[in-house]
Amino acid sequence: AQKITQTQPGMFVQEKEAVTLDCTYDTSDPSYGLFWYKQPSSGEMIFLIYQGSYDQQNATEGRYSLNFQKARKSANLVISASQLGDSAMYFCAMRINTNAGKSTFGDGTTLTVKP
Amino acid sequence: DVKVTQSSRYLVKRTGEKVFLECVQDMDHENMFWYRQDPGLGLRLIYFSYDVKMKEKGDIPEGYSVSREKKERFSLILESASTNQTSMYLCASRPPGLAYEQYFGPGTRLTVT
Repeated sequence: AQKITQTQPGMFVQEKEAVTLDCTYDTSDPSYGLFWYKQPSSGEMIFLIYQGSYDQQNATEGRYSLNFQKARKSANLVISASQLGDSAMYFCAMRINTNAGKSTFGDGTTLTVKP
Repeated sequence: DVKVTQSSRYLVKRTGEKVFLECVQDMDHENMFWYRQDPGLGLRLIYFSYDVKMKEKGDIPEGYSVSREKKERFSLILESASTNQTSMYLCASRPPGLAYEQYFGPGTRLTVT
């Protein structure tokens, strides 16, 4: 069974600073994907970034980067130059490589950006 | 732009009522999902479907059923609503394959009184 652990229920960061949101995962399947989603207070889930288990380089998307450490089974999200609009709930998710594979989500981390 | 729509943003129902939550996607995605979201519990998968008329139980299927008669539509049914089914319900869709993210609907906040 797959499991995602997000150990930080809430985080604070000063505007313009970088912040790291932790995510560890557990699976015995060698082929899997890791995802991060953002959920603002309005409720919609927004996809941020994807990392495949065989990808050699860490994924980056604008101000978002994924610090992928396969041996440690961690997939931390790094947000650089935080903005007030980054205040939201962030979810880490994993899916193993089956065609109809279901995703497993963590409990989420609430990020608050302070002005 | 992929669009996933859900029939209601807010719904209030009474205990024992039969409740239908509808989800429609416009991108011809094979896979569709129903989650419920509760504070501190993340997203938990109720049911998913990888093809028309196909369905698979997720992690918490008890008290729910689903229907997928057309590719674009995936319905969640609460046969006899109970107060512990008060929650936010999120529908999602995606193409098959590992690297594809899910596209979520806006959610339905269901209150059962």
